[in-house]
Amino acid sequence: QSVLTQPPSASGTPGQRVTISCSGSSSNIGSNHVSWYQQLPGTAPDLLIYRNNQRPSGVPARFSGSKSGTSASLAISGLRSEDEADYYCATWDDSLNGPLVFGGGTKLTVL
Amino acid sequence: QVQLQESGPGLLKPSQTLSLTCTVSGDSIYSGRYYWTWIRQAAGKGLEWIGHIQNSGATNYNPSLKSRVSMSLETSKSHFSLNLMSVTAADTAVYYCAREERTGYSHGLDYWGQGALVTVSS
Repeated sequence: QSVLTQPPSASGTPGQRVTISCSGSSSNIGSNHVSWYQQLPGTAPDLLIYRNNQRPSGVPARFSGSKSGTSASLAISGLRSEDEADYYCATWDDSLNGPLVFGGGTKLTVL
Repeated sequence: QVQLQESGPGLLKPSQTLSLTCTVSGDSIYSGRYYWTWIRQAAGKGLEWIGHIQNSGATNYNPSLKSRVSMSLETSKSHFSLNLMSVTAADTAVYYCAREERTGYSHGLDYWGQGALVTVSS
């Protein structure tokens, strides 16, 4: 059972906009920045978003992040077939002596 | 270009100690800006943060693993290491090393190794 809650799956058609939610509590998302990771099959995760809504250089502007209260969201616009992957949110949890906690992951399918 | 590479035994027996090393190239492991991190992922499962170590040697471990985990940093060799004692089948996973940059706030885990599969089986 993950500390952060994500939907197990999401889907969309090419060109569509999809959002993936990440729900937590006041001790994690409510008081810390959120990052998002994309994991393509058989590969290591890649950083997509840090500090809630910042994109590292090289990450397309199609990917955006937001946070409100104890929830965060990742939005992908102009969906492409290569976006099919697992997506994870992460943040620090102050109630558990500060470990980094991840959501359970969302498998995005491009139909 | 920053690169991280895990190395270590891929097969262990129950009760043994898992030892992995992550070699860092293309950047300085001495910098106080970075937290050198270990994360694992069991087959078909999500990501689990194991802990991190700073250039000062300060560590922070996942409370669920704290009693069995230790990490060290070898700045002269540009690598950092993970030890996990008394392994069981539940420790079977792909183990990743990663770099987290912090300058007042976290910049996320921006570089990852390719991962090392560790299997625990009798």
